[in-house]
Amino acid sequence: GIQVEQSPPDLILQEGANSTLRCNFSDSVNNLQWFHQNPWGQLINLFYIPSGTKQNGRLSATTVATERYSLLYISSSQTTDSGVYFCAVSSGSARQLTFGSGTQLTVLP
Amino acid sequence: DAGVTQSPTHLIKTRGQHVTLRCSPISGHKSVSWYQQVLGQGPQFIFQYYEKEERGRGNFPDRFSARQFPNYSSELNVNALLLGDSALYLCASSLAGNSPLHFGNGTRLTVT
Repeated sequence: GIQVEQSPPDLILQEGANSTLRCNFSDSVNNLQWFHQNPWGQLINLFYIPSGTKQNGRLSATTVATERYSLLYISSSQTTDSGVYFCAVSSGSARQLTFGSGTQLTVLP
Repeated sequence: DAGVTQSPTHLIKTRGQHVTLRCSPISGHKSVSWYQQVLGQGPQFIFQYYEKEERGRGNFPDRFSARQFPNYSSELNVNALLLGDSALYLCASSLAGNSPLHFGNGTRLTVT
Protein backbone atom coordinates (compact mmCIF):
# COMPACT_ATOMS: atom_id res chain seq x y z
CA GLY A 1 0.00 0.00 0.00
CA ILE A 2 0.87 3.65 -0.18
CA GLN A 3 3.40 4.99 2.34
CA VAL A 4 3.05 8.39 4.02
CA GLU A 5 5.92 10.09 5.83
CA GLN A 6 5.56 13.31 7.81
CA SER A 7 8.26 15.59 9.08
CA PRO A 8 9.29 16.81 11.51
CA PRO A 9 7.83 14.43 14.09
CA ASP A 10 7.93 17.13 16.77
CA LEU A 11 8.03 20.91 16.59
CA ILE A 12 8.14 23.47 19.39
CA LEU A 13 7.53 27.13 18.57
CA GLN A 14 7.11 30.42 20.32
CA GLU A 15 3.79 32.14 19.77
CA GLY A 16 3.94 34.28 16.64
CA ALA A 17 6.45 32.10 14.78
CA ASN A 18 5.85 30.51 11.38
CA SER A 19 6.25 26.82 10.53
CA THR A 20 6.19 24.40 7.62
CA LEU A 21 5.09 20.78 7.93
CA ARG A 22 5.88 18.28 5.20
CA CYS A 23 4.14 15.16 3.93
CA ASN A 24 5.79 12.78 1.44
CA PHE A 25 3.84 9.96 -0.20
CA SER A 26 5.00 7.01 -2.24
CA ASP A 27 2.43 6.89 -5.06
CA SER A 28 0.09 9.12 -7.01
CA VAL A 29 -2.91 10.19 -4.97
CA ASN A 30 -6.53 11.05 -5.70
CA ASN A 31 -7.25 12.36 -2.22
CA LEU A 32 -5.03 14.23 0.22
CA GLN A 33 -6.26 15.85 3.40
CA TRP A 34 -4.60 17.67 6.27
CA PHE A 35 -6.12 17.28 9.73
CA HIS A 36 -5.49 18.86 13.11
CA GLN A 37 -6.08 16.70 16.17
CA ASN A 38 -6.45 18.82 19.28
CA PRO A 39 -5.46 17.70 22.78
CA TRP A 40 -9.02 16.43 23.35
CA GLY A 41 -8.77 14.06 20.39
CA GLN A 42 -10.98 15.95 17.97
CA LEU A 43 -9.81 15.49 14.37
CA ILE A 44 -10.53 18.63 12.36
CA ASN A 45 -10.37 18.72 8.58
CA LEU A 46 -8.08 21.59 7.52
CA PHE A 47 -7.67 21.09 3.79
CA TYR A 48 -8.78 18.77 1.02
CA ILE A 49 -5.90 19.26 -1.40
CA PRO A 50 -4.94 16.45 -3.81
CA SER A 51 -3.19 19.11 -5.90
CA GLY A 52 -2.61 22.85 -6.00
CA THR A 53 -2.61 25.50 -3.30
CA LYS A 54 -5.25 26.62 -0.83
CA GLN A 55 -5.35 29.16 1.96
CA ASN A 56 -7.59 29.54 4.97
CA GLY A 57 -6.66 32.39 7.26
CA ARG A 58 -3.25 31.81 8.81
CA LEU A 59 -3.03 28.34 7.28
CA SER A 60 -2.17 27.41 3.74
CA ALA A 61 -1.29 24.18 1.98
CA THR A 62 0.40 23.20 -1.26
CA THR A 63 0.45 19.79 -2.90
CA VAL A 64 2.88 19.03 -5.73
CA ALA A 65 1.37 15.78 -6.92
CA THR A 66 4.02 15.13 -9.58
CA GLU A 67 6.75 15.23 -6.92
CA ARG A 68 4.63 13.41 -4.32
CA TYR A 69 4.70 15.85 -1.46
CA SER A 70 2.48 18.33 0.33
CA LEU A 71 3.31 21.21 2.65
CA LEU A 72 1.23 22.80 5.38
CA TYR A 73 2.18 26.36 6.36
CA ILE A 74 1.18 27.89 9.67
CA SER A 75 1.85 31.59 10.09
CA SER A 76 1.77 33.66 13.28
CA SER A 77 1.33 30.57 15.46
CA GLN A 78 -1.06 30.69 18.40
CA THR A 79 -1.21 28.43 21.45
CA THR A 80 -4.49 27.03 20.14
CA ASP A 81 -2.58 25.66 17.12
CA SER A 82 -0.98 23.08 19.40
CA GLY A 83 -1.80 19.46 18.70
CA VAL A 84 -0.99 16.80 16.15
CA TYR A 85 -1.16 17.51 12.43
CA PHE A 86 -1.88 14.55 10.18
CA CYS A 87 -1.58 14.16 6.46
CA ALA A 88 -3.78 11.42 4.96
CA VAL A 89 -3.96 10.15 1.39
CA SER A 90 -5.74 7.64 -0.79
CA SER A 91 -4.50 6.21 -4.06
CA GLY A 92 -5.88 4.32 -7.04
CA SER A 93 -9.04 2.35 -6.37
CA ALA A 94 -8.49 2.38 -2.61
CA ARG A 95 -11.20 4.31 -0.83
CA GLN A 96 -9.60 4.48 2.59
CA LEU A 97 -7.30 7.20 3.80
CA THR A 98 -3.81 6.18 4.87
CA PHE A 99 -2.53 8.47 7.62
CA GLY A 100 1.01 9.53 8.32
CA SER A 101 2.39 9.34 11.84
CA GLY A 102 1.77 13.03 12.40
CA THR A 103 3.68 16.11 13.52
CA GLN A 104 3.27 17.03 17.19
CA LEU A 105 3.21 20.84 17.36
CA THR A 106 3.59 22.71 20.62
CA VAL A 107 3.19 26.50 20.61
CA LEU A 108 4.53 28.18 23.73
CA PRO A 109 3.06 31.46 25.01
CA ASP B 1 -25.86 21.80 10.92
CA ALA B 2 -24.85 18.95 13.19
CA GLY B 3 -21.53 17.31 12.48
CA VAL B 4 -20.77 13.62 12.74
CA THR B 5 -22.07 12.32 16.06
CA GLN B 6 -20.77 9.25 17.84
CA SER B 7 -21.98 7.40 20.90
CA PRO B 8 -21.00 6.60 23.51
CA THR B 9 -18.10 8.97 24.13
CA HIS B 10 -16.38 6.64 26.57
CA LEU B 11 -16.74 2.94 27.26
CA ILE B 12 -15.06 0.44 29.57
CA LYS B 13 -15.37 -3.25 28.77
CA THR B 14 -13.82 -6.49 30.00
CA ARG B 15 -11.82 -8.91 27.87
CA GLY B 16 -14.09 -11.30 25.98
CA GLN B 17 -17.09 -8.98 25.93
CA HIS B 18 -18.55 -7.41 22.82
CA VAL B 19 -19.19 -3.76 22.07
CA THR B 20 -21.35 -1.74 19.68
CA LEU B 21 -20.37 1.77 18.67
CA ARG B 22 -22.74 4.08 16.85
CA CYS B 23 -22.32 6.88 14.34
CA SER B 24 -24.64 9.37 12.67
CA PRO B 25 -23.21 11.08 9.58
CA ILE B 26 -23.60 14.68 8.52
CA SER B 27 -26.99 15.19 6.90
CA GLY B 28 -26.76 14.37 3.20
CA HIS B 29 -23.60 12.29 3.54
CA LYS B 30 -24.01 8.75 2.24
CA SER B 31 -20.59 7.34 3.04
CA VAL B 32 -19.41 6.33 6.51
CA SER B 33 -15.95 5.12 7.45
CA TRP B 34 -14.54 3.74 10.68
CA TYR B 35 -10.98 4.19 11.94
CA GLN B 36 -9.09 2.95 14.98
CA GLN B 37 -6.49 5.17 16.61
CA VAL B 38 -4.21 3.75 19.27
CA LEU B 39 -2.20 6.09 21.46
CA GLY B 40 0.66 7.78 19.64
CA GLN B 41 -0.30 6.64 16.14
CA GLY B 42 -2.34 7.88 13.22
CA PRO B 43 -5.83 6.47 12.63
CA GLN B 44 -6.03 3.07 10.90
CA PHE B 45 -8.82 2.28 8.44
CA ILE B 46 -11.31 -0.39 9.48
CA PHE B 47 -14.36 -0.15 7.16
CA GLN B 48 -16.07 2.05 4.62
CA TYR B 49 -19.77 1.86 3.73
CA TYR B 50 -21.52 3.67 0.92
CA GLU B 51 -25.24 3.40 0.27
CA LYS B 52 -25.43 0.56 2.82
CA GLU B 53 -22.84 -1.56 1.03
CA GLU B 54 -19.35 -2.33 2.27
CA ARG B 55 -16.88 -0.65 -0.06
CA GLY B 56 -13.64 -1.28 1.77
CA ARG B 57 -12.18 -3.22 4.66
CA GLY B 58 -8.87 -2.70 6.41
CA ASN B 59 -6.54 -5.28 7.91
CA PHE B 60 -8.63 -6.14 10.96
CA PRO B 61 -9.77 -9.56 12.19
CA ASP B 62 -13.27 -10.93 11.65
CA ARG B 63 -14.12 -9.96 15.22
CA PHE B 64 -14.73 -6.51 13.74
CA SER B 65 -17.92 -6.00 11.77
CA ALA B 66 -20.06 -3.07 10.74
CA ARG B 67 -23.22 -2.14 8.96
CA GLN B 68 -24.96 0.93 7.58
CA PHE B 69 -28.66 1.55 7.96
CA PRO B 70 -31.17 3.06 5.48
CA ASN B 71 -30.79 6.46 7.21
CA TYR B 72 -27.01 6.17 6.58
CA SER B 73 -26.14 5.84 10.27
CA SER B 74 -23.71 3.07 11.10
CA GLU B 75 -22.68 0.64 13.80
CA LEU B 76 -19.29 -0.90 14.48
CA ASN B 77 -19.32 -4.16 16.40
CA VAL B 78 -16.32 -5.79 18.02
CA ASN B 79 -16.61 -9.29 19.50
CA ALA B 80 -14.35 -11.14 21.94
CA LEU B 81 -12.60 -7.96 23.03
CA LEU B 82 -8.85 -8.03 23.61
CA LEU B 83 -6.71 -5.63 25.62
CA GLY B 84 -5.23 -4.45 22.33
CA ASP B 85 -8.62 -3.23 21.15
CA SER B 86 -8.32 -0.32 23.60
CA ALA B 87 -8.27 2.73 21.36
CA LEU B 88 -10.11 5.78 20.11
CA TYR B 89 -12.65 4.70 17.48
CA LEU B 90 -13.39 7.40 14.95
CA CYS B 91 -16.26 7.60 12.54
CA ALA B 92 -16.10 9.82 9.46
CA SER B 93 -18.67 10.72 6.86
CA SER B 94 -18.40 12.07 3.34
CA LEU B 95 -20.70 12.89 0.46
CA ALA B 96 -19.28 10.08 -1.68
CA GLY B 97 -16.60 7.46 -1.43
CA ASN B 98 -13.66 9.72 -2.24
CA SER B 99 -14.81 13.11 -0.98
CA PRO B 100 -13.35 15.02 1.98
CA LEU B 101 -13.82 13.16 5.26
CA HIS B 102 -15.34 14.80 8.31
CA PHE B 103 -14.70 13.07 11.62
CA GLY B 104 -16.76 12.72 14.77
CA ASN B 105 -15.27 13.19 18.23
CA GLY B 106 -14.75 9.46 18.64
CA THR B 107 -15.51 6.77 21.19
CA ARG B 108 -12.72 6.01 23.62
CA LEU B 109 -12.83 2.28 24.37
CA THR B 110 -10.90 0.83 27.28
CA VAL B 111 -10.67 -2.96 27.61
CA THR B 112 -9.58 -4.26 31.02
